Amino acid sequence: EAGVVQSPRYKIIEKKQPVAFWCNPISGHNTLYWYRQNLGQGPELLIRYENEEAVDDSQLPKDRFSAERLKGVDSTLKIQPAELGDSAVYLCASSPGTGYEKLFFGSGTQLSVL
Amino acid sequence: GEDVEQSLFLSVREGDSSVINCTYTDSSSTYLYWYKQEPGAGLQLLTYIFSNMDMKQDQRLTVLLNKKDKHLSLRIADTQTGDSAIYFCAERRGDYKLSFGAGTTVTVRA
Repeated sequence: EAGVVQSPRYKIIEKKQPVAFWCNPISGHNTLYWYRQNLGQGPELLIRYENEEAVDDSQLPKDRFSAERLKGVDSTLKIQPAELGDSAVYLCASSPGTGYEKLFFGSGTQLSVL
Repeated sequence: GEDVEQSLFLSVREGDSSVINCTYTDSSSTYLYWYKQEPGAGLQLLTYIFSNMDMKQDQRLTVLLNKKDKHLSLRIADTQTGDSAIYFCAERRGDYKLSFGAGTTVTVRA
């Protein structure tokens, strides 16, 4: 069974440029999460989807970040415009249930904003 | 600051036991987790314990929970070089959100 797939693996951009990350969750997993992991820290939730509905986006900086999960499967996270402080690893995770019991993480996208 | 606190580094000799400690803050946490992150990879769920349990054993892994002190530990028996990684403690809080610690980097030396 394929795990959570994310792309690209690495992204280097200049500040003020837009960037997008893509995630394909494990088949059958209804809940999808985007986390941001800063260097030397644990992941912090940005947004959680149940099917195509964003049920928790309280931590998403909505002035520059947006996300979508069309058809309740793949998801895209976008930053526009990127700032230096956005440099981090962006992790996507999925779970079969809605209660955070077991999260399966992708390998992440490492973003460097110059 | 972090709601979940862990020591940052642990060095252990191959074949010895490793013990990673964690303290959390939410007394209404229902699940507590240990995740492992190898270089360049995402987090992998190692094990978890429900809050009404004191101990859980899974092969080389033993999780101990002291709910009174809000203290969680992970013991890895017979530590191998493949156990070198960052280990994250996480609590599922009363609001159902996961809160992660900053991670403990475990280095296994020959």
